[in-house]
Amino acid sequence: GNSVTQMEGPVTLSEEAFLTINCTYTATGYPSLFWYVQYPGEGLQLLLKATKADDKGSNKGFEATYRKETTSFHLEKGSVQVSDSAVYFCALSSGGSQGNLIFGKGTKLSVKP
Amino acid sequence: KAGVTQTPRYLIKTRGQQVTLSCSPISGHRSVSWYQQTPGQGLQFLFEYFSETQRNKGNFPGRFSGRQFSNSRSEMNVSTLELGDSALYLCASSLGYAGNEQFFGPGTRLTVL
Repeated sequence: GNSVTQMEGPVTLSEEAFLTINCTYTATGYPSLFWYVQYPGEGLQLLLKATKADDKGSNKGFEATYRKETTSFHLEKGSVQVSDSAVYFCALSSGGSQGNLIFGKGTKLSVKP
Repeated sequence: KAGVTQTPRYLIKTRGQQVTLSCSPISGHRSVSWYQQTPGQGLQFLFEYFSETQRNKGNFPGRFSGRQFSNSRSEMNVSTLELGDSALYLCASSLGYAGNEQFFGPGTRLTVL
């Protein structure tokens, strides 16, 4: 079945450091891929998405490229801020509707000033 | 535009009881999905409703059920509560078509004693 594997956390970085959170997936067909972020006490917010191979999603300085050959969708940011501290989830959706997201376990990021 | 709202935000029940959670989607959204979030299992898809019909279902026992009303508001019900049902229950709404973003509510925190 479909699944998502992302790097275990927690990840602790200093402000302005480079961030990479690895995400790989297993899916039949051509899934859409997403990164969601969850701040403490809140629901999930879509950070970025890519719907086909070689697409690059980007938002708020975060980027991820849909790599079909390596079944990966790694999240990167060149310079993290304290406000980026949150839990990040990689997810995929296969099939026509978007009502069935499969999530990775989540990676908690803490950014120290 | 108002976001996805979930009520109640917090709930404490005892084993064997039943509970009903409510979700009001963003105006115009016809799809509502429910997810369970626990520290051990992460985020797991429960079911999706689109235009009052269950369109997708996750791998949960029949004690978990849901419905959607003509105004797209949705409820989920858990009967005969077990300790393991303690979780954050998240609702997400979308237009319901491929490529549409899911917007998440803040969740209902259910504690089963």
